[in-house]
Amino acid sequence: QVQLVESGGGLVKPGGSLRLSCGASGFPISDYYMNWIRQAPGKGLEWLSYINSDSSYIKFADSVKGRFTISRDNAKNSLHLQMDSLRAEDTAVYYCARTYGSGQPLDYWGQGTLVTVSS
Amino acid sequence: VLTQAPSVSVAPGQTARITCGVSKIGSKSVHWFQQRPGRAPVVVLYDDSDRPSGIPERFSGSNFGNTATLTISRVEAGDEADYYCQVWDNSSDHPVFGGGTKLTVL
Repeated sequence: QVQLVESGGGLVKPGGSLRLSCGASGFPISDYYMNWIRQAPGKGLEWLSYINSDSSYIKFADSVKGRFTISRDNAKNSLHLQMDSLRAEDTAVYYCARTYGSGQPLDYWGQGTLVTVSS
Repeated sequence: VLTQAPSVSVAPGQTARITCGVSKIGSKSVHWFQQRPGRAPVVVLYDDSDRPSGIPERFSGSNFGNTATLTISRVEAGDEADYYCQVWDNSSDHPVFGGGTKLTVL
């Protein structure tokens, strides 16, 4: 069955870096756009970034543009988010999710990984 | 920005209506997500009113003018969750979420 599993979260100091990964099973990520979405404690969902099937098209939310990098390895069926210059306001649960393309729903999500930015 | 009421309360067996508003949302496809506490979001409706397999028929949707509506009929205790609407913003070319509505079953 379709499964997405995030990893790499943890506690990091302000200004630090962290690399999140999302492993997929049950489907080839090469057929999908892959997204990162986050949810700060007690807050709503915030879309962060997506990468298209062949990595030729990438979008970021303004809140993380220039600090976060998204990448994918279709051969390993995995997605990554490199987060640099982390701030306290980046503290959140980070989810990966797939979508078939522009306008399509984010139909499967991982369980999320918690990132805490604190000194 | 997609506008959702922060909370909706309904008694078991009654009908809950959760709205999502923005100018001309009727021209967009709206997707709805349910998020139970501590869990990842799950899509309950896509393209305004289509239900993924496994979602009860009690969940239905409409989308006209400036408002999209998720309707949950015969509400059950297990429906208590946060509900988010989502559209694709063509101008910025990425998904956008509403602020979420907490459904409380009295």
